[in-house]
Amino acid sequence: GAVVSQHPSWVICKSGTSVKIECRSLDFQATTMFWYRQFPKQSLMLMATSNEGSKATYEQGVEKDKFLINHASLTLSTLTVTSAHPEDSSFYICSARAPSGEVYNEQFFGPGTRLTVL
Amino acid sequence: GESVGLHLPTLSVQEGDNSIINCAYSNSASDYFIWYKQESGKGPQFIIDIRSNMDKRQGQRVTVLLNKTVKHLSLQIAATQPGDSAVYFCAESYTGGFKTIFGAGTRLFVKA
Repeated sequence: GAVVSQHPSWVICKSGTSVKIECRSLDFQATTMFWYRQFPKQSLMLMATSNEGSKATYEQGVEKDKFLINHASLTLSTLTVTSAHPEDSSFYICSARAPSGEVYNEQFFGPGTRLTVL
Repeated sequence: GESVGLHLPTLSVQEGDNSIINCAYSNSASDYFIWYKQESGKGPQFIIDIRSNMDKRQGQRVTVLLNKTVKHLSLQIAATQPGDSAVYFCAESYTGGFKTIFGAGTRLFVKA
């Protein structure tokens, strides 16, 4: 299957700083990528849908000014957590829609990024 | 965001036994369903999918059953191995939709 990478795999930052997480599709072009957040022992919660060349679509309750998404190319989407606070500590996972996924939304998932805010 | 945040139910099985993991989905319009396996600290890994025009699909050691009448999905793992220990999530989507919604997940423990 196709490969999606994330960088960094983990990050520790101080409260009030901003953190950028990258999501790359390595061997295919992805016009649509998704960002999920996962708290311990819980399921994945969709945060936003990232579309290349246009604004991201955020799920209800997700602050777009706090979680900035940029999908500037067909292989890269970035999530920036601005002014991070301890409650933003979580496992952030991205996925990229498969080239054949326009109908059924098949996705390939990245390995996740563990964010810890002190 | 959508999804249900609950503490994960747990299924414990003996190595070599068959495992059955169940999932109830929420949207009657959903027509595409996927099972994912997630190991600790990693992203979800695709296991098997099924579209709503089918009620059963088999892979290598895994079978997915779909009952649209009661909106129920199950994953059967044959001859469960220690390497199958993980959290399993069902997910649903629909034709033309742009979201995949994850279920609560089940933690599978395989006892050697």
